[in-house]
Amino acid sequence: QVQLQESGPGLVKPSQTLSLTCTVSGASISSGGYYWSWIRQHPGKGLEWIGNINYRGTTDYNPSLKSRVTISGETSENQFSLRLSSVTAADTAVYYCARGITWFDPWGQGTLVTVSS
Amino acid sequence: EIVLTQSPGTLSLSPGERATLSCRASQSVSNSFLAWYQQRPGQAPRLLIYHASSRATGIPDRFSGSGSGTDFTLTISRLEPEDFAVYYCQQYGSSPVTFGGGTKVELK
Repeated sequence: QVQLQESGPGLVKPSQTLSLTCTVSGASISSGGYYWSWIRQHPGKGLEWIGNINYRGTTDYNPSLKSRVTISGETSENQFSLRLSSVTAADTAVYYCARGITWFDPWGQGTLVTVSS
Repeated sequence: EIVLTQSPGTLSLSPGERATLSCRASQSVSNSFLAWYQQRPGQAPRLLIYHASSRATGIPDRFSGSGSGTDFTLTISRLEPEDFAVYYCQQYGSSPVTFGGGTKVELK
């Protein structure tokens, strides 16, 4: 059974870079033809796809965030990571990692990141 | 990008009743590439339906999806206590994938 778990700082200062890691168990991020995504949910709001990385390491990003986002994979650790630069309060959200590029299943439990000085 | 509008915003129902949730797209969703998710408080979304009408693994058959083009529906035939939650639709027919704003199914 595939499981995902997000980790990283819960508090980031404005203008700094948010960095999160997703650890995958039960599947290899570098095989199987799968894609691995980051999705966020602003407090009390809907969901926004941030971007993905595939089993070959190719990435794709939401145009609305593309200039600030980098997703990378660490195959030896079976992890993939999110970096979001120049954060503001508008980036405060619960960040989820999930498997998929079309529909998303399964999801990690999510981690709240607050942007505040 | 495709904008998904879900209605109603809140649905107040009792256990055993039927719930009908709507998801309307700003343009046609190609190949009916639409999914539905359930999100309980404090939890991550859970995939219910993909390809508009295919149930995900382990999802009870009281959940069904239908629709095509710009209009899609999620139906819960008889509400169970654990079904009171927020439901989101998501399209993956064009990039970027987008989500609707959600419908909350609350206990009447």
